[in-house]
Amino acid sequence: GAVVSQHPSRVICKSGTSVKIECRSLDFQATTMFWYRQFPKQSLMLMATSNEGSKATYEQGVEKDKFLINHASLTLSTLTVTSAHPEDSSFYICSAISGQGTDTQYFGPGTRLTVL
Amino acid sequence: EDQVTQSPEALRLQEGESSSLNCSYTVSGLRGLFWYRQDPGKGPEFLFTLYSAGEEKEKERLKATLTKKESFLHITAPKPEDSATYLCAAQGAQKLVFGQGTRLTINP
Repeated sequence: GAVVSQHPSRVICKSGTSVKIECRSLDFQATTMFWYRQFPKQSLMLMATSNEGSKATYEQGVEKDKFLINHASLTLSTLTVTSAHPEDSSFYICSAISGQGTDTQYFGPGTRLTVL
Repeated sequence: EDQVTQSPEALRLQEGESSSLNCSYTVSGLRGLFWYRQDPGKGPEFLFTLYSAGEEKEKERLKATLTKKESFLHITAPKPEDSATYLCAAQGAQKLVFGQGTRLTINP
C-alpha cells in the first residue's frame, strides 16, 4: 500500500515553455500533497503544500506564479512550471499523506526536469 | 528554527560490517521522526516512523532508535544492496524538515 506515482519521470524542454508534472496516490486518498525540489547531492527542499480543493501554501522564496499547483481531487496533484528557464532544471518529487491520523509522507519516484 | 543534522556525510563499510548512522534534531513540538532510503535518481522510500523517546523499530538488517535529541539507524551485517542515501526527517508543528543524508556504500 501507500504507492505514489509521478508522470513524466523525465522531461526536457526549451527555455520559455511550460511543463506539467502529475502526482497520483494510487491506493489511498491523499488529503494533503507536497512538492519538493532536490538539487544534486543535496537534500529535499519543500516548495509547497496542497490540500484538496484549496489553494496551495508556498514556502518562502518559492514563486507561486511560476510554480502553479493544483490539487483538484484526493488522488491527483499537478505542478506546472511556467516559462521554464535553465535554473529551473532540477529533480522534482511529490509526496502524499492519507490523513488517517498519521504524518507519514509517501514519496513518488520523482521527475527529472532539464530546461535547455 | 527547526533543524536536522545527519552524520557522517558518507560512510563506506565492508559487507557484514555493522555500524550506525546518526541524526540529531532540534524541532519544537516533534510529531514524528522519519527515516527514508533514497537510491540515485529515485524518490525516498519510507522505512520507519518513531514518535517518542525510547521507541525502537526494526526491519530486516535495520533498526531505528529515538532519544529526545537524536535518532540512530543501526545497520547489522549489511549487504551491498543496502548501499543508498539514508535520509532522516523530523516533523515539527509546521513541516517535515530533512537532514542532508548519509551516503552509505557497502563493498562486497
